[in-house]
Amino acid sequence: ETGVTQTPRHLVMGMTNKKSLKCEQHLGHNAMYWYKQSAKKPLELMFVYNFKEQTENNSVPSRFSPECPNSSHLFLHLHTLQPEDSALYLCASSQSSGGTANNEQFFGPGTRLTVL
Amino acid sequence: AQSVSQHNHHVILSEAASLELGCNYSYGGTVNLFWYVQYPGQHLQLLLKYFSGDPLVKGIKGFEAEFIKSKFSFNLRKPSVQWSDTAEYFCAVNAQAAAGNKLTFGGGTRVLVKP
Repeated sequence: ETGVTQTPRHLVMGMTNKKSLKCEQHLGHNAMYWYKQSAKKPLELMFVYNFKEQTENNSVPSRFSPECPNSSHLFLHLHTLQPEDSALYLCASSQSSGGTANNEQFFGPGTRLTVL
Repeated sequence: AQSVSQHNHHVILSEAASLELGCNYSYGGTVNLFWYVQYPGQHLQLLLKYFSGDPLVKGIKGFEAEFIKSKFSFNLRKPSVQWSDTAEYFCAVNAQAAAGNKLTFGGGTRVLVKP
């Protein structure tokens, strides 16, 4: 396995379901991110974790609950979602969460989520 | 708050044509600038980045971008495109004064290169 992986790649869920998205990075990075990409809208940052600690919550509704048990894994727990939450959810990682010159973010392939 | 705008949502051109994609940002302070590319069915990957120094930045696959501070712009160029350049291109900005490595993305430009 290389880079950043995400599972599942596609997910269909009802509004009353509970599901989780998983992200794993194999790059030895310490910072991980969740982004949301909706149709016809720019990529939006949702959460930032640095050394397992959440450092950013970009006003995300509580029906999205992130979890970062270690620097290599990041989860996004979903419950009672709305149809407008249907989107592509991207995970990324970087060496740290600081804005330095070589702190490139590496992205996973995303999970395509559909909420019925 | 910072924002990024990409002027063209879709661009269609023929092989060997020149490509220029516009990107403007709104933030008055020091910024780090990026272009990411997403080829069909693949991950977002970094094409090039600007942090400081020479405002003309060269990236992978023959792409370059020029940072013009007075215009708040970071346009992407390639003098002669190939069919394999068909992809979606995203401009992104990280305001250095902001806490950490938070990227603000533009809406993306879909580029279709006809063989």
